Amino acid sequence: DGGITQSPKYLFRKEGQNVTLSCEQNLNHDAMYWYRQDPGQGLRLIYYSQIVNDFQKGDIAEGYSVSREKKESFPLTVTSAQKNPTAFYLCASSGPTSGRAIYEQYFGPGTRLTVT
Amino acid sequence: GQQLNQSPQSMFIQEGEDVSMNCTSSSIFNTWLWYKQDPGEGPVLLIALYKAGELTSNGRLTAQFGITRKDSFLNISASIPSDVGIYFCAGQLGPTGANNLFFGTGTRLTVIP
Repeated sequence: DGGITQSPKYLFRKEGQNVTLSCEQNLNHDAMYWYRQDPGQGLRLIYYSQIVNDFQKGDIAEGYSVSREKKESFPLTVTSAQKNPTAFYLCASSGPTSGRAIYEQYFGPGTRLTVT
Repeated sequence: GQQLNQSPQSMFIQEGEDVSMNCTSSSIFNTWLWYKQDPGEGPVLLIALYKAGELTSNGRLTAQFGITRKDSFLNISASIPSDVGIYFCAGQLGPTGANNLFFGTGTRLTVIP
Protein backbone atom coordinates (compact mmCIF):
# COMPACT_ATOMS: atom_id res chain seq x y z
CA ASP A 1 0.00 0.00 0.00
CA GLY A 2 1.38 3.39 -0.95
CA GLY A 3 1.32 6.07 1.68
CA ILE A 4 3.03 8.29 4.19
CA THR A 5 4.04 7.02 7.60
CA GLN A 6 4.98 9.09 10.62
CA SER A 7 6.41 7.70 13.80
CA PRO A 8 5.87 7.69 16.62
CA LYS A 9 2.21 8.66 17.00
CA TYR A 10 2.84 10.19 20.44
CA LEU A 11 6.13 11.56 21.71
CA PHE A 12 7.01 12.98 25.10
CA ARG A 13 10.18 14.92 25.85
CA LYS A 14 11.66 17.04 28.57
CA GLU A 15 12.32 20.68 27.89
CA GLY A 16 15.82 21.30 26.59
CA GLN A 17 16.06 18.04 24.64
CA ASN A 18 16.19 17.79 20.87
CA VAL A 19 13.75 15.33 19.32
CA THR A 20 13.50 13.94 15.78
CA LEU A 21 10.20 13.07 14.12
CA SER A 22 10.20 10.53 11.34
CA CYS A 23 8.41 10.81 7.99
CA GLU A 24 8.63 8.18 5.25
CA GLN A 25 6.72 7.95 1.97
CA ASN A 26 6.61 5.25 -0.69
CA LEU A 27 4.58 7.27 -3.21
CA ASN A 28 7.68 8.17 -5.22
CA HIS A 29 6.89 11.84 -4.61
CA ASP A 30 9.64 14.39 -5.13
CA ALA A 31 8.33 17.00 -2.72
CA MET A 32 7.86 16.64 1.04
CA TYR A 33 6.65 19.07 3.68
CA TRP A 34 6.36 19.55 7.43
CA TYR A 35 3.46 21.43 9.04
CA ARG A 36 2.64 22.31 12.59
CA GLN A 37 -0.95 22.38 13.88
CA ASP A 38 -1.98 23.91 17.18
CA PRO A 39 -5.40 23.30 18.79
CA GLY A 40 -8.20 24.99 16.90
CA GLN A 41 -5.86 26.35 14.27
CA GLY A 42 -4.95 25.67 10.69
CA LEU A 43 -1.71 24.30 9.32
CA ARG A 44 1.51 26.30 9.36
CA LEU A 45 4.42 25.36 7.11
CA ILE A 46 7.74 24.63 8.84
CA TYR A 47 10.02 23.33 6.07
CA TYR A 48 9.66 21.85 2.63
CA SER A 49 11.85 19.99 0.18
CA GLN A 50 11.23 19.78 -3.54
CA ILE A 51 14.10 17.43 -4.27
CA VAL A 52 16.70 15.30 -2.51
CA ASN A 53 19.47 17.25 -0.78
CA ASP A 54 17.54 20.50 -1.00
CA PHE A 55 15.08 22.10 1.41
CA GLN A 56 13.62 25.52 2.11
CA LYS A 57 12.30 27.29 5.19
CA GLY A 58 8.59 27.77 5.54
CA ASP A 59 6.73 30.33 7.62
CA ILE A 60 7.82 29.10 11.06
CA ALA A 61 11.23 27.43 10.62
CA GLU A 62 12.92 28.88 13.71
CA GLY A 63 13.86 26.17 16.20
CA TYR A 64 13.48 23.36 13.66
CA SER A 65 15.87 21.58 11.31
CA VAL A 66 15.43 19.01 8.54
CA SER A 67 17.43 16.82 6.20
CA ARG A 68 16.57 15.18 2.88
CA GLU A 69 19.20 12.56 2.15
CA LYS A 70 16.77 10.13 0.53
CA LYS A 71 13.71 10.71 -1.61
CA GLU A 72 11.58 8.61 0.73
CA SER A 73 12.56 10.26 4.00
CA PHE A 74 12.25 13.78 5.44
CA PRO A 75 12.95 13.79 9.22
CA LEU A 76 12.21 16.87 11.31
CA THR A 77 14.26 17.77 14.39
CA VAL A 78 12.62 19.96 16.98
CA THR A 79 15.51 21.63 18.77
CA SER A 80 15.70 23.07 22.25
CA ALA A 81 15.62 26.51 20.63
CA GLN A 82 11.95 26.06 19.70
CA LYS A 83 10.15 28.06 22.37
CA ASN A 84 6.79 26.31 22.24
CA PRO A 85 7.32 22.85 20.73
CA THR A 86 4.19 21.09 22.01
CA ALA A 87 1.97 20.62 18.97
CA PHE A 88 0.65 18.18 16.38
CA TYR A 89 3.15 17.72 13.53
CA LEU A 90 2.07 16.68 10.07
CA CYS A 91 4.20 15.50 7.19
CA ALA A 92 2.97 15.67 3.60
CA SER A 93 4.23 14.82 0.15
CA SER A 94 3.26 15.68 -3.39
CA GLY A 95 4.07 14.44 -6.85
CA PRO A 96 2.54 13.75 -10.23
CA THR A 97 -0.75 11.85 -10.02
CA SER A 98 -3.02 10.59 -12.79
CA GLY A 99 -1.01 12.41 -15.41
CA ARG A 100 -2.06 15.80 -14.11
CA ALA A 101 0.30 18.73 -13.92
CA ILE A 102 -1.18 19.73 -10.57
CA TYR A 103 0.39 17.99 -7.58
CA GLU A 104 -1.96 17.65 -4.62
CA GLN A 105 -0.48 17.25 -1.16
CA TYR A 106 -1.16 14.05 0.78
CA PHE A 107 -0.71 13.90 4.54
CA GLY A 108 0.63 11.38 7.01
CA PRO A 109 -1.22 10.48 10.23
CA GLY A 110 0.72 12.99 12.35
CA THR A 111 2.86 12.92 15.49
CA ARG A 112 1.67 14.58 18.68
CA LEU A 113 4.68 15.98 20.54
CA THR A 114 4.38 16.98 24.17
CA VAL A 115 7.29 18.77 25.84
CA THR A 116 7.22 19.32 29.59
CA GLY B 1 1.84 32.72 4.72
CA GLN B 2 -1.58 33.65 3.47
CA GLN B 3 -4.70 32.34 5.22
CA LEU B 4 -7.96 31.75 3.46
CA ASN B 5 -11.23 32.87 5.04
CA GLN B 6 -13.26 29.77 5.75
CA SER B 7 -16.80 29.86 7.15
CA PRO B 8 -18.50 28.93 9.25
CA GLN B 9 -15.91 28.16 11.92
CA SER B 10 -18.14 25.49 13.42
CA MET B 11 -21.48 23.85 12.72
CA PHE B 12 -23.82 21.71 14.77
CA ILE B 13 -26.36 19.82 12.66
CA GLN B 14 -28.82 16.97 12.97
CA GLU B 15 -28.06 13.70 11.24
CA GLY B 16 -29.63 13.72 7.78
CA GLU B 17 -29.30 17.46 7.24
CA ASP B 18 -27.31 18.98 4.42
CA VAL B 19 -24.19 21.05 5.14
CA SER B 20 -22.59 23.90 3.25
CA MET B 21 -19.28 25.61 3.91
CA ASN B 22 -17.18 27.99 1.88
CA CYS B 23 -13.77 29.47 1.46
CA THR B 24 -12.82 32.89 0.11
CA SER B 25 -9.58 34.59 -0.71
CA SER B 26 -8.32 37.91 -1.98
CA SER B 27 -6.00 35.99 -4.32
CA ILE B 28 -6.72 33.97 -7.42
CA PHE B 29 -5.92 30.26 -7.24
CA ASN B 30 -5.40 27.67 -9.97
CA THR B 31 -6.54 24.74 -7.82
CA TRP B 32 -8.85 24.36 -4.85
CA LEU B 33 -8.56 21.37 -2.52
CA TRP B 34 -10.86 20.20 0.25
CA TYR B 35 -9.55 18.03 3.10
CA LYS B 36 -11.19 16.36 6.09
CA GLN B 37 -9.34 15.81 9.34
CA ASP B 38 -10.54 13.35 11.97
CA PRO B 39 -9.45 13.99 15.58
CA GLY B 40 -5.80 13.07 16.05
CA GLU B 41 -5.28 12.14 12.41
CA GLY B 42 -3.82 13.76 9.32
CA PRO B 43 -6.03 15.53 6.77
CA VAL B 44 -7.41 13.35 4.00
CA LEU B 45 -7.96 14.79 0.54
CA LEU B 46 -11.66 14.72 -0.38
CA ILE B 47 -11.97 16.67 -3.60
CA ALA B 48 -9.63 18.56 -5.93
CA LEU B 49 -10.87 21.24 -8.33
CA TYR B 50 -8.78 22.37 -11.27
CA LYS B 51 -10.87 24.77 -13.38
CA ALA B 52 -12.94 27.85 -12.64
CA GLY B 53 -16.61 26.93 -12.55
CA GLU B 54 -15.87 23.22 -12.12
CA LEU B 55 -18.41 21.28 -10.06
CA THR B 56 -17.17 17.92 -8.74
CA SER B 57 -18.85 15.25 -6.65
CA ASN B 58 -17.45 12.49 -4.48
CA GLY B 59 -20.33 10.46 -3.06
CA ARG B 60 -22.39 12.76 -0.83
CA LEU B 61 -19.84 15.55 -1.23
CA THR B 62 -20.03 18.24 -3.89
CA ALA B 63 -17.55 21.05 -4.34
CA GLN B 64 -17.33 23.95 -6.75
CA PHE B 65 -14.47 26.14 -7.95
CA GLY B 66 -15.77 29.71 -8.05
CA ILE B 67 -15.91 31.57 -11.35
CA THR B 68 -13.74 34.36 -9.98
CA ARG B 69 -11.14 31.75 -8.88
CA LYS B 70 -11.17 33.39 -5.45
CA ASP B 71 -13.65 31.10 -3.74
CA SER B 72 -14.90 27.56 -3.39
CA PHE B 73 -17.68 25.80 -1.53
CA LEU B 74 -18.23 22.28 -0.21
CA ASN B 75 -21.64 20.70 0.31
CA ILE B 76 -22.35 17.51 2.21
CA SER B 77 -25.75 15.98 1.67
CA ALA B 78 -27.66 13.79 4.13
CA SER B 79 -25.04 14.02 6.86
CA ILE B 80 -24.14 10.97 8.95
CA PRO B 81 -22.26 10.70 12.26
CA SER B 82 -18.95 9.79 10.59
CA ASP B 83 -18.96 13.17 8.81
CA VAL B 84 -17.79 14.66 12.12
CA GLY B 85 -14.41 16.32 11.82
CA ILE B 86 -12.66 19.45 10.64
CA TYR B 87 -12.90 20.39 6.99
CA PHE B 88 -10.10 22.46 5.48
CA CYS B 89 -10.00 24.23 2.17
CA ALA B 90 -6.70 24.91 0.45
CA GLY B 91 -5.87 27.09 -2.52
CA GLN B 92 -2.95 26.26 -4.75
CA LEU B 93 -1.25 28.72 -7.06
CA GLY B 94 0.79 26.44 -9.25
CA PRO B 95 1.60 22.80 -9.98
CA THR B 96 4.00 22.20 -7.12
CA GLY B 97 5.99 23.77 -4.35
CA ALA B 98 4.89 24.23 -0.78
CA ASN B 99 5.07 27.98 -0.87
CA ASN B 100 2.07 28.14 -3.17
CA LEU B 101 -0.45 26.12 -1.10
CA PHE B 102 -2.53 28.08 1.41
CA PHE B 103 -4.94 26.62 3.96
CA GLY B 104 -8.17 27.85 5.46
CA THR B 105 -8.63 27.84 9.22
CA GLY B 106 -11.11 24.97 9.09
CA THR B 107 -14.80 24.30 9.70
CA ARG B 108 -15.51 22.01 12.66
CA LEU B 109 -18.57 19.87 11.95
CA THR B 110 -20.57 18.14 14.67
CA VAL B 111 -23.39 15.80 13.64
CA ILE B 112 -26.00 15.07 16.29
CA PRO B 113 -27.52 11.60 15.89
